[in-house]
Amino acid sequence: AQSVTQLDSHVSVSEGTPVLLRCNYSSSYSPSLFWYVQHPNKGLQLLLKYTSAATLVKGINGFEAEFKKSETSFHLTKPSAHMSDAAEYFCVVSDRVDMRFGAGTRLTVKP
Amino acid sequence: EAQVTQNPRYLITVTGKKLTVTCSQNMNHEYMSWYRQDPGLGLRQIYYSMNVEVTDKGDVPEGYKVSRKEKRNFPLILESPSPNQTSLYFCASSLSLAGVLEQYFGPGTRLTVT
Repeated sequence: AQSVTQLDSHVSVSEGTPVLLRCNYSSSYSPSLFWYVQHPNKGLQLLLKYTSAATLVKGINGFEAEFKKSETSFHLTKPSAHMSDAAEYFCVVSDRVDMRFGAGTRLTVKP
Repeated sequence: EAQVTQNPRYLITVTGKKLTVTCSQNMNHEYMSWYRQDPGLGLRQIYYSMNVEVTDKGDVPEGYKVSRKEKRNFPLILESPSPNQTSLYFCASSLSLAGVLEQYFGPGTRLTVT
């Protein structure tokens, strides 16, 4: 069985400072991992995905994530937060048929 | 434009009154699924479909039905809605199995059952 744990339900940063959203996963297989973003009253948009290629994955809007198998982690980072980054972020683990979502991390960006 | 559409976007109904939420995708995707989103729980899968006439239960299927008669459509049916089905619902599709390929999500349907 697979599972995902997002270690922080809420993260608050100041505009221009780094963002770190933490995600640990558990999977019996070599998983695919995703980060999705959900802006208020919107659907989910794919930020980036890891599919057993390069361990450092670059996504849209300056986000990136690093797959660390030894730590079973897939943390999402961005060097400098922007006000438009305020949203809910979901870490997702998937094998071929089962996709598991984390509970989400709400990112607040202060001016 | 490639997209997943859901209708209605907002729905308020009463306990026991059958309803259907439609989902349609124009990307010729094989895989489609339904999720519900509740605060603090992330998204939980209700049902999924690998292809036409092939559906299976997800994590929280009780109280829901689905059908996949055409590749593009995957309606969610609540035969007798109850207040605990008040939630935000998302339909999603993927080119093939959910593993390697990302899912594309619809805009969501906010359902309130009184």
